[in-house]
Amino acid sequence: AQSVTQLGSHVSVSEGALVLLRCNYSSSVPPYLFWYVQYPNQGLQLLLKYTSAATLVKGINGFEAEFKKSETSFHLTKPSAHMSDAAEYFCAVSHGSGNTGKLIFGQGTTLQVKP
Amino acid sequence: DAGVIQSPRHEVTEMGQEVTLRCKPISGHDYLFWYRQTMMRGLELLIYFNNNVPIDDSGMPEDRFSAKMPNASFSTLKIQPSEPRDSAVYFCASAQGPYGYTFGSGTRLTVV
Repeated sequence: AQSVTQLGSHVSVSEGALVLLRCNYSSSVPPYLFWYVQYPNQGLQLLLKYTSAATLVKGINGFEAEFKKSETSFHLTKPSAHMSDAAEYFCAVSHGSGNTGKLIFGQGTTLQVKP
Repeated sequence: DAGVIQSPRHEVTEMGQEVTLRCKPISGHDYLFWYRQTMMRGLELLIYFNNNVPIDDSGMPEDRFSAKMPNASFSTLKIQPSEPRDSAVYFCASAQGPYGYTFGSGTRLTVV
């Protein structure tokens, strides 16, 4: 069965500091991996996705993530945090080949950005 | 594109009442998903459709929940009878192909 673990339910950084949100996955087949962001009272918005092409994936708003098969990780990073990055972030996994369309989400990480 | 449209945005109902949540997916998308979000359980997939056909409803909590997709542009999630533990935010999402969902803004359901 597929699963996702997000390490740290809350992460706090200062404005301008590096953002690192951790995600580890479990999958018996090559996975597709995603990061979503959720602002208060809104739906989830796709930040970026890995679908077995380049292992370093660039997304919107300056975020990127690197797929590391040996570590079963897909951590999300941004070099310099902005106040507007404060939100909840979700990592998700689905099947790769033979994709059934079922996305499994992690529990989420709330990012706080301090001035 | 107007995105995925959900209605109502907020719903407050009394225990035992029937609740119907509605979703209009993005035109041309062939997958539609219903998720429930709570603090305790996070995001749970309830059911999803491909080309209007239910593919996996294993996440539907119990028989009180039902979902339909009569055509490519409309889906409903119904709870009958509703209970306080059904209080949550319900999201609909659609996709062209089986990944890269677009989520609606959600329906916040409160059952009192």
